[in-house]
Amino acid sequence: GDSVTQTEGPVTVSESESLIINCTYSATSIAYPNLFWYVRYPGEGLQLLLKVITAGQKGSSRGFEATYNKETTSFHLQKASVQESDSAVYYCALGDSPNTGYQNFYFGKGTSLTVIP
Amino acid sequence: AQTIHQWPVAEIKAVGSPLSLGCTIKGKSSPNLYWYWQATGGTLQQLFYSITVGQVESVVQLNLSASRPKDDQFILSTEKLLLSHSGFYLCAWSPTGDSDYTFGSGTRLLVI
Repeated sequence: GDSVTQTEGPVTVSESESLIINCTYSATSIAYPNLFWYVRYPGEGLQLLLKVITAGQKGSSRGFEATYNKETTSFHLQKASVQESDSAVYYCALGDSPNTGYQNFYFGKGTSLTVIP
Repeated sequence: AQTIHQWPVAEIKAVGSPLSLGCTIKGKSSPNLYWYWQATGGTLQQLFYSITVGQVESVVQLNLSASRPKDDQFILSTEKLLLSHSGFYLCAWSPTGDSDYTFGSGTRLLVI
């Protein structure tokens, strides 16, 4: 089936350290999957952090990066130096094509990140 | 600018009691609307979607129902809650045929 697996949380990192949250996907029924990272800050809704719709491409936002790797079916989220304000829950998601008129997402369980000063 | 508002923020309800969760989108006409749900320890999964007012499609059967009485309003409800309904409910919208979702801040539901 179609699914996403990501790093189990919670994850605790010290400020200015590097971060990687692993994400792998299975897209058996989606011909051209789109990949996303969403973030949920405390008390807020899910926000799109970055998305990549073409295999081999890299997306970046707010210092975070993720590369769509079709060979390893991965979309790991990385940041070279985290800040306390990055503390949030991060969701990796797989989206099917919007050409049908609507899109469904397959989310990972979310990874809770706490950055300690 | 478009805004999405979900209510209530949190609920504690008894098994067998009714439930109604609301979602309103302002500043965008004819959006696609979605309900998502995440059980504790589970993944976010799409429950319903609606492409137009009055039409709602069910994606996952959970003894819940959804309605879109107005273009900007999406309601999730049930007449009898189950313990398994506990979790986090998210409403979202997207422009028709576009992949960019905007999510609400969610409703946390505990059924006891």
